Formats: sequence, structure tokens, C-alpha cells
Amino acid sequence: NAGVMQNPRHLVRRRGQEARLRCSPMKGHSHVYWYRQLPEEGLKFMVYLQKENIIDESGMPKERFSAEFPKEGPSILRIQQVVRGDSAAYFCASSRDRDFMGETQYFGPGTRLLVL
Amino acid sequence: LAKTTQPISMDSYEGQEVNITCSHNNIATNDYITWYQQFPSQGPRFIIQGYKTKVTNEVASLFIPADRKSSTLSLPRVSLSDTAVYYCLVGGAGGTSYGKLTFGQGTILTVHP
Repeated sequence: NAGVMQNPRHLVRRRGQEARLRCSPMKGHSHVYWYRQLPEEGLKFMVYLQKENIIDESGMPKERFSAEFPKEGPSILRIQQVVRGDSAAYFCASSRDRDFMGETQYFGPGTRLLVL
Repeated sequence: LAKTTQPISMDSYEGQEVNITCSHNNIATNDYITWYQQFPSQGPRFIIQGYKTKVTNEVASLFIPADRKSSTLSLPRVSLSDTAVYYCLVGGAGGTSYGKLTFGQGTILTVHP
């Protein structure tokens, strides 16, 4: 049973370009979460999605960032017109349908974005 | 969101038992306690989750007192490969924390030979 898949693992962009990060959840998982981690810091929640719906985007910057989780295919985190401050590790996590016993999120290996 | 407090760092030696305590004084009724492990350049790895009393799996034990205001992750007989950052998180089904894990600074555990 494959875990959460993310690609690319490393991404280099110049200022002003677009970055697209992909996440395929674990088999049977329909909830996806994106987190950002700056060097020497803990992960910060960005957005929570179910299939075709954004449930909570309270941690995502209002400008330049967007996320989607289409009916078919991976979840996409899109960063337009990247700036140097966007350089970070971006992690995706997934979980099964919500149940009363709590919700365990399983993380992917991350995409390390470097903006030159 | 319930805030957690844990030691910034801990040191241990191979073969010892390590206990990392986390404080979460304002934990909500619906909140679960979850611990993750993270190695450099990798995503967090789920270790264990509990609601009350004691939970044990193949890698760790989690002790939660009756008031649930703290929890202790116990790693038996650590090895060098257990050197990592350990995060204590509080959240879970229902409430405003649903789906939104809040990571603190974590505890840097260093295991020495």
C-alpha cells in the first residue's frame, strides 16, 4: 500500500515564475492537507481539501496561492509569481473519511521549493 | 486551538528508555493527542495517538493522565536511528481544530552511542 506521494521532490524557480506541487493521497483517503515548513521551524497548516471542495484555507496566503483536489487526479498546490520568501518545504498529508475516533494524517516526503 | 509545550531538546544514550512530556493545559473534550517523528528532509511520520489512559503500539507508548492536561511519549530502548524531532499535537474530530494540525517547535532528541 503506497504512502502519500509528492512530486517533484525538489523544484527550483526564478522569481516571478509559477510553481506547481502535486500530491497523491494514500489509497482510500479522500482528505488532503497542505503544510509549509520553513528552515528550523515546525510545520504550518495551509489548506484542507476534500474531493472537489476546499474545507479550510485559513492558513493559505490570500494572494498568489491556490489549491485544488479534483475528482480525478492529484491535489495541486499552485504558487504564482513566486518570491524568495516562498522557499520552503511543502508537505502534503492525507487521511481517511472522518470518523469519531479521531483523524490520523499521514504525510508525504515533501517538495522542497527553492526560489532564486 | 490547544497549545502544546514540550522541551526543546533531550539527550539520551543507546539502549535507554526516553520519556518526552508534553503539556496541553487547554485541551478540549473532542481533542486527541498525537505524536509525530520527523527526520531531516523527510515528512513527519505518525508514531502514536491516544485520548486517555495508556496506548501502546510496536514502537512507543503514550501515557495520558486523567485530567488530560499532559501526555508522555515513551520510547523503549532507543537507538541512534531514533535521533529526530518529535512533535506533540492536540486536535481531532469536531471543533475548530478539525483537520488542522498545529505543530509547535518539537523536541530534538539526540541519541548518543
